[in-house]
Amino acid sequence: GEDVEQSLFLSVREGDSSVINCTYTDSSSTYLYWYKQEPGAGLQLLTYIFSNMDMKQDQRLTVLLNKKDKHLSLRIADTQTGDSAIYFCAERDMGRRALTFGSGTRLQVQP
Amino acid sequence: GAVVSQHPSRVICKSGTSVKIECRSLDFQATTMFWYRQFPKQSLMLMATSNEGSKATYEQGVEKDKFLINHASLTLSTLTVTSAHPEDSSFYICSARIRGLAGGRDEQFFGPGTRLTVL
Repeated sequence: GEDVEQSLFLSVREGDSSVINCTYTDSSSTYLYWYKQEPGAGLQLLTYIFSNMDMKQDQRLTVLLNKKDKHLSLRIADTQTGDSAIYFCAERDMGRRALTFGSGTRLQVQP
Repeated sequence: GAVVSQHPSRVICKSGTSVKIECRSLDFQATTMFWYRQFPKQSLMLMATSNEGSKATYEQGVEKDKFLINHASLTLSTLTVTSAHPEDSSFYICSARIRGLAGGRDEQFFGPGTRLTVL
């Protein structure tokens, strides 16, 4: 079945850039997503990328997709303490309605 | 943006009781809703797909008689945890699917989650 993997933890200083990485195995993935989850809360969709794109930028967020290596990354520029949260990547293919989530990366921003 | 609500946000119950969790799409109709479960410090695991007017589709390993799902209308799906036990304690999150967005994609909007604690 599908498998999505992420590193568990990332610590950065306020103002630096954060890069969160994700790898997936499903070659038929059509959409890839990044979600943010704050403590005790649900999921907030940050951005998504379609599989025929290799980059998408949205304000401080940049998503890079290397489809050949099945590698997805999320770069957060000028990271703020409010960015501290767990970040999940998720993928979906056309034949499946539900999302498959990675394990989540806990981002800790040091002041 | 689309809003999905869940009720209750937090519930504590005794072992052996049943708990009902509601998931509502507030400003759109959702023919499909999904129920996920998240254990502490773990990812979301899909439990079942809830389709309006038909039986839910359960993922492998999820007991349909224990986790009853009813999708009675286009804006409401309920998950009932029957005869709850401490191992059912978890964070339950629903999502509702919107189809036909720009670019031919659909999207899921997530509820805020319900934290269930079974004593």
